Amino acid sequence: QVQLVQSGAEVKKPGASVNVSCTASGYTFTSYYIHWVRQAPGQGLEWMGMINPSGGRTSYAQKYQGRVTMTRDTSTSTVYMKLSSLRSEDTALYFCANAVAGTPSWGQGTLVTVSS
Amino acid sequence: DIQMTQSPSTLSASVGDTVTITCRASQSFGTFLAWYQQKPGKAPKLLIYKASTLESGVPSRFSGSASGTEFTLTISSLQPDDFATYYCHQYNFYSWTFGQGTKVEV
Repeated sequence: QVQLVQSGAEVKKPGASVNVSCTASGYTFTSYYIHWVRQAPGQGLEWMGMINPSGGRTSYAQKYQGRVTMTRDTSTSTVYMKLSSLRSEDTALYFCANAVAGTPSWGQGTLVTVSS
Repeated sequence: DIQMTQSPSTLSASVGDTVTITCRASQSFGTFLAWYQQKPGKAPKLLIYKASTLESGVPSRFSGSASGTEFTLTISSLQPDDFATYYCHQYNFYSWTFGQGTKVEV
């Protein structure tokens, strides 16, 4: 079955960067886009962007343009989401997700805490 | 981008009630619409995908339907474990969008 496994929780200082990984299994990695979604404490779900693992094309939400970079490593079936210039408002749960054959699957989430 | 307008934002109900949550899309996009249940600190739990397909292992009291740009989640005979927040999710295009969420409370 489709599995997305994310890296562990991170604590960062304001101004730093964070790199969250998402390793996929159970399907052909290059056949389906992987998306990143975040959820701030007490808030709803917000789409950040996506990467096409076949070729590496990305599309980012306007809100994150210039601060987010999504990359992939096809040798390990892993995608990475790097968010730079962190501020306290970036404290959130970050999820990777896809929709293999029309069925959504999600990673377990990675808590990123930004605090001085 | 497609906007998803979910209502109500809060819903007060009792065990045994039947509740309905609605999402309206700003434009037609087909049926790549999912419904999730979420509890604090956890990943969303998939209930329904492709608008009306019940995810394996999800109780049959959950059902989804679609009519044009309007999508509905119905929970029949509400159980204590069902008090949670529910989200709709459009995943037809490169950019995904979510409803604002509905908190089902006692």
